[in-house]
Amino acid sequence: KNQVEQSPQSLIILEGKNCTLQCNYTVSPFSNLRWYKQDTGRGPVSLTIMTFSENTKSNGRYTATLDADTKQSSLHITASQLSDSASYICVVSSASGGSYIPTFGRGTSLIVHP
Amino acid sequence: EPEVTQTPSHQVTQMGQEVILRCVPISNHLYFYWYRQILGQKVEFLVSFYNNEISEKSEIFDDQFSVERPDGSNFTLKIRSTKLEDSAMYFCASRVDRGDYEQYFGPGTRLTVT
Repeated sequence: KNQVEQSPQSLIILEGKNCTLQCNYTVSPFSNLRWYKQDTGRGPVSLTIMTFSENTKSNGRYTATLDADTKQSSLHITASQLSDSASYICVVSSASGGSYIPTFGRGTSLIVHP
Repeated sequence: EPEVTQTPSHQVTQMGQEVILRCVPISNHLYFYWYRQILGQKVEFLVSFYNNEISEKSEIFDDQFSVERPDGSNFTLKIRSTKLEDSAMYFCASRVDRGDYEQYFGPGTRLTVT
């Protein structure tokens, strides 16, 4: 069964600090891995997308890494801001013909304090 | 910037009633999705739709659910006879084409079944 596990479940950091969120998956066949940011009561917003051949992708202060051999990904947030407080969700998709079936992690709830 | 829109933002209905949740995907997108998120839980895939037919569906998407693209712009999710456990946030998403993995989510419809 395809699964995506994220850690930690929640994280509290001070504004300006860096943090790293983890994602482990067992999804086959692997198609792509995405990190989303979800503010409370809103739809997820894409941060990064990586395919099998990519091992790092940056989007401003967000940097995602992918190790397809160990089936692990991380999301690093640099110089955190109060607006980074949100849930960060790892989504791994498997490929089936032209469709991509996504499996969502439970998310890491990040709180940035001033 | 184009975005996915959903209506209504909040729907309250009585158990056993039919509800229709509406979505307007981004205009040049070809793939459409419905997801749900029960309060405090992870996002779950319901169904994907392409070329006027369902391409993939999850175990959650049983006979009580149906999707339709009645015209060139709307994409709807119908729940025939709602149950208390259908209470959740329902997200619509769309994607440009099969080679583009980016999905754009709408703001969601909160469905409350009483």
